[in-house]
Amino acid sequence: QLQLQESGPGLVKPSETLSLTCTVSGGSISSSNYYWGWIRQPPGKGLEWIGTIYYSGSTYYNPSLKSRLTISVDTSKNQFSLKLTSVTAADTAVYYCGTHSSSWYIDSWGQGTLVTVSS
Amino acid sequence: SYELTQPLSVSVALGQTARITCGGNNIGSKNVHWYQQKPGQAPVLVIYRDGNRPSGIPERFSGSNSGNTATLTISRAQAGDEADYYCQVWDSTTANVFGTGTKVTVL
Repeated sequence: QLQLQESGPGLVKPSETLSLTCTVSGGSISSSNYYWGWIRQPPGKGLEWIGTIYYSGSTYYNPSLKSRLTISVDTSKNQFSLKLTSVTAADTAVYYCGTHSSSWYIDSWGQGTLVTVSS
Repeated sequence: SYELTQPLSVSVALGQTARITCGGNNIGSKNVHWYQQKPGQAPVLVIYRDGNRPSGIPERFSGSNSGNTATLTISRAQAGDEADYYCQVWDSTTANVFGTGTKVTVL
């Protein structure tokens, strides 16, 4: 059973870059069986898919975030990461990492981490 | 971009059946997945590819998908089923899309 854990700063200033890492245990991030994704949820609101990366490095981004977004994989650390530039208060959310199959359903989730954008 | 519409809330009497809809253009041609999210917790997959249950999910949860509407059905509703429920599809233009979410209340 895969386990995922998000880590990173809980507070980011407006206009700066939000950086988060997801550490994977119980399986290899280099496995061709999985896609690795990020999802967020603003306080009191619904889920929003951010983007996904495959072990090969192929990425799939939410069109509304694409210009500010980079997702990458570090196979040596069994981690994948999210960078979102030029953040505003609208980027305040609980950020989840997750894994899904080629059918795109997310069957393992991290516990989530709250990131607040504020000066 | 592709959009999925869900009712804001659904109420169901204890032991009765709740049906949560997810509307989208020709959604019947897509694979629909459903998640349950309780307060302060990460979502949990309850139905994948329209009507399949992951291991550990009770048979009381079922799904169907046709035309412009997918439906999650919760039979014999229990107090522990109170949660927010989200549908999700993959679309060629928008990639991964979540529905607007439905709050289920068990009376």
